[in-house]
Amino acid sequence: GQNIDQPTEMTATEGAIVQINCTYQTSGFNGLFWYQQHAGEAPTFLSYNVLDGLEEKGRFSSFLSRSKGYSYLLLKELQMKDSASYLCAVRGRGSQGNLIFGKGTKLSVKP
Amino acid sequence: DGGITQSPKYLFRKEGQNVTLSCEQNLNHDAMYWYRQDPGQGLRLIYYSQIVNDFQKGDIAEGYSVSREKKESFPLTVTSAQKNPTAFYLCASSIEDREAFFGQGTRLTVV
Repeated sequence: GQNIDQPTEMTATEGAIVQINCTYQTSGFNGLFWYQQHAGEAPTFLSYNVLDGLEEKGRFSSFLSRSKGYSYLLLKELQMKDSASYLCAVRGRGSQGNLIFGKGTKLSVKP
Repeated sequence: DGGITQSPKYLFRKEGQNVTLSCEQNLNHDAMYWYRQDPGQGLRLIYYSQIVNDFQKGDIAEGYSVSREKKESFPLTVTSAQKNPTAFYLCASSIEDREAFFGQGTRLTVV
């Protein structure tokens, strides 16, 4: 089976840096994804990691360690519009190639 | 423009009635997914399909049915057997193992 854990809520200050962690257990691994979801809207894709290491995309970076079953999403220079839920998702292999989501981390950015 | 379209955006159903949610994509993606999201919760997988005429149950398939007769279409039927159908339903599609793209969602309410 698959299990994904991430913190329920986090609070950070505008202009700061925040790290959202995700740990996972899966019978097969074929990629880890981060999504942003504003209230009442559909999730939008942020980043994809399939090999160990850091992927950087503007203010957002994502890290993966497959041996530890661990990933984090790093948001720099926080803006008020970054207040949203951040969802970690893992894809299995082959017939288990579904995409399973964690419960999401609700980030509140304060002035 | 290429994309994934869900309809309707809002849907009201009387108790005991079946209802079908539409999902169409013109991205030429092989894989399609249906998720359910309850308030303050993450996405839970209902069904997914990796190829035409084939689909697999997700974690919460009971009370739902799907079909995949065409690559572009993956409709979801919420049957009367689903005891608590009020939720936000999200459809997604992807190329093989890459990121999934979401439709705008259908908010179903039982009245």
